[in-house]
Amino acid sequence: DIQMTQSPSSLSASVGDRVTITCQASQDINKYLHWYQQKPGKAPKLLIYAASNLETGVPSRFSGSGSGTDFTFTISSLQPEDIATYYCQQYNNLPYTFGQGTKLEIK
Amino acid sequence: QVQLQQSGPGLVKPSQTLSLTCAISGDSVSSNSATWNWIRQSPSRGLEWLGRTYYRSKWYYDYAVSVKSRITINPDTSKNQFSLQLNSVTPEDTAVYYCARIARTGTTWRFDYWGQGTLVTVSS
Repeated sequence: DIQMTQSPSSLSASVGDRVTITCQASQDINKYLHWYQQKPGKAPKLLIYAASNLETGVPSRFSGSGSGTDFTFTISSLQPEDIATYYCQQYNNLPYTFGQGTKLEIK
Repeated sequence: QVQLQQSGPGLVKPSQTLSLTCAISGDSVSSNSATWNWIRQSPSRGLEWLGRTYYRSKWYYDYAVSVKSRITINPDTSKNQFSLQLNSVTPEDTAVYYCARIARTGTTWRFDYWGQGTLVTVSS
């Protein structure tokens, strides 16, 4: 199975800050990576697909980059409604696997 | 607008079978540009993909090795839904279970719609 290593596991930032989360795959996954946002009691919500494509309706302050094994997710200006846990997920190979999550809090 | 509506019991006894259903609206379980998946989430295991079914002139099934001996995913074209059965459950199978669609977008795929989630507790 492909292991997805996300960092950091938690992050505290202020409103307006630029926030960056990284995800490393244990082998080359090309650009087959999703980023999700999950709020308590809700299903994960797709934000970024194919590493850098913004899902329809998602604010442009969210972005993704990378290919191969190293990926980055960025919130350009943190808003209070962005408080959530963020996950990466590879869909290059079965089984699809997820990172362990990054819990984002407001400082 | 696609919607996935999950149903099924929230409490299952150890050694029994966990059964959940995902009713699809806005798409077809027989779609040639989608696959239909089950994922679970628990504090100990995180998000874990369990398996999928999809139709490409015939039905296909893929399962995670961790549950392969115990899992069945079945499409039901008459009701436009798909189901999850997990046999011989233990307390380690306690989790929130989600159904989800992966749809083709150009040359890539998107996990774009998820069910609302069902907390299943395995306990006597």
